Amino acid sequence: DIQMTQSPSSLSASVGDRVTITCRASQSISDYLNWYQQKPGKAPKLLIFVASNLQSGVPSRFSGSGSGTDFTLTISSLQPEDFATYYCQQSYSTPPTFGQGTKLVIK
Amino acid sequence: QVQLVQSGSELKKPGASVKVSCKASGYTFTNYAVNWVRQAPGQGLEWMGWINTNTGNPAYAQGFAGRFVFSLDTSVTTAYLQISSLKAEDTAVYYCAREVATIEFRSSWFDPWGQGTLVTVSS
Repeated sequence: DIQMTQSPSSLSASVGDRVTITCRASQSISDYLNWYQQKPGKAPKLLIFVASNLQSGVPSRFSGSGSGTDFTLTISSLQPEDFATYYCQQSYSTPPTFGQGTKLVIK
Repeated sequence: QVQLVQSGSELKKPGASVKVSCKASGYTFTNYAVNWVRQAPGQGLEWMGWINTNTGNPAYAQGFAGRFVFSLDTSVTTAYLQISSLKAEDTAVYYCAREVATIEFRSSWFDPWGQGTLVTVSS
C-alpha cells in the first residue's frame, strides 16, 4: 500500500495568514492526489482533485500543487471558517490511502 | 443537488449486527461507485472498500472482508453496509462517498460524502 505522510500534524495560525500543508507519498503517484477538509462532527469535503484542480464552489484562496511524491495545499489568507482538519488522499492505486491529517487551529 | 444521506446513529451490544444505509439523490445512481470509509474516534480516515453500483459487485480492503458486507437496492438508490459480530473496536463513524472517476483526468476522487453514521458498540 502507498503510505501518505502529512506535515505538520498540527498547525497554529492566525486569520489572514498564508498556510501551507505538505503531503508526501511513499512512491510516485503522478498527480493522483486529492485534498479534503473536515470540520468537527462533519463529513470530509472535497477541496482539490488531481493535485491542483479546485472543486466547484471552493474559495480561490485554496490551491494545490505538486506531482510525483511531494504535494502542497496552500491557503492564501486564512479565514475563520478554514480552521479544520485537512487530509490528502492518493488515488493512484488500490487501496486509496489517506494522510494522517493536519489539524489547523487558531493561534 | 447531489447528496448522500445516511441512516442515524446506532448503539449495539457486542456480537450484534448493524445495517447502515446510504440514500443517493440528485444523480444517476448506477453511474458512480459507492465507497465506504471508517473513522474511529479521534482518528483519521480508513478506506473500507467499494461497491460497483452497476453490477453489485463489492470489493473489500484488507481487514474488512468477512464481517463487513456491502450491498445495494438500486430501486431506491441506496447502498448498505452491514457489520456482523460487532466488537468494541468497530465503534466508529462510517461514511459512504460517491466516487467520481473521469476519462479526462484518468483519476478519481470522493465527492460528496454522506453525513456519517456513528456506530457505538458497548455492553
